[in-house]
Amino acid sequence: EDQVTQSPEALRLQEGESSSLNCSYTVSGLRGLFWYRQDPGKGPEFLFTLYSAGEEKEKERLKATLTKKESFLHITAPKPEDSATYLCAVQAGSARQLTFGSGTQLTVLP
Amino acid sequence: EAGVVQSPRYKIIEKKQPVAFWCNPISGHNTLYWYRQNLGQGPELLIRYENEEAVDDSQLPKDRFSAERLKGVDSTLKIQPAELGDSAVYLCASSRRDPGQETQYFGPGTRLLVL
Repeated sequence: EDQVTQSPEALRLQEGESSSLNCSYTVSGLRGLFWYRQDPGKGPEFLFTLYSAGEEKEKERLKATLTKKESFLHITAPKPEDSATYLCAVQAGSARQLTFGSGTQLTVLP
Repeated sequence: EAGVVQSPRYKIIEKKQPVAFWCNPISGHNTLYWYRQNLGQGPELLIRYENEEAVDDSQLPKDRFSAERLKGVDSTLKIQPAELGDSAVYLCASSRRDPGQETQYFGPGTRLLVL
C-alpha cells in the first residue's frame, strides 16, 4: 500500500526565515510526486510535479527536490502570503489517483 | 481556461437526509475524480471516471454513495442517507489522459456538515 508522510505537521516562520518541508513516501513504482498548496476554504492548487530522483523545479520562492525516498519543498525568504497548507501526493504503478499526505500547515509571521 | 466548477459550496443537512454535489470539469479533461477530505487530512479518492465510465470506485461506500457522469462531462455525487461521519469537504478534480499531462486540477470543494 502506498504511503505518504509529511513533516512537520505545522511550521511557524518569521518573514524571511528560509526552511524546508519534508515528504517521505513508500510506493511501488513511482510515476510522479506532486506538490499542492491549499488555502483555507479552497481546493488544492497545483505547484509542481517531479518524476525522477534528482529532479528539481522552482517557482518564485519555492523549490521542490526529489530523491528515491523523499521530496523536499524549500521555501526561501518566505512572505506572509506563503502561509497555507502544503500537500504532497504520489501517483504510483498503474493507478491514476493520487495518494496524499496529511499536509504541513505553514504560517509566516510578518 | 476556466477551472473546475463545483456547487454548492456549502451544505448543511440533518442526518438521514439526502444530498447531492455537482462538478463541471475543465474542458477537454477526460478523467474526473471525486475525493473526500476530512479536517486536517489530505484528500482521499472516492471514485474516478474515464469519460462516462467509472473505472475505480473501490473506495466509494456503495451502500449510501452513488455517482454518475452523464455524457462524459458533468458529474454528480450523491449521499443517501447522510450520516454524521459524512461531514467533510468533497473535492472534484479533473485531468487529461495523455502521459505527462496527467496533473489533476481541483475545484473549490463542497463543504458538507451533517447535524
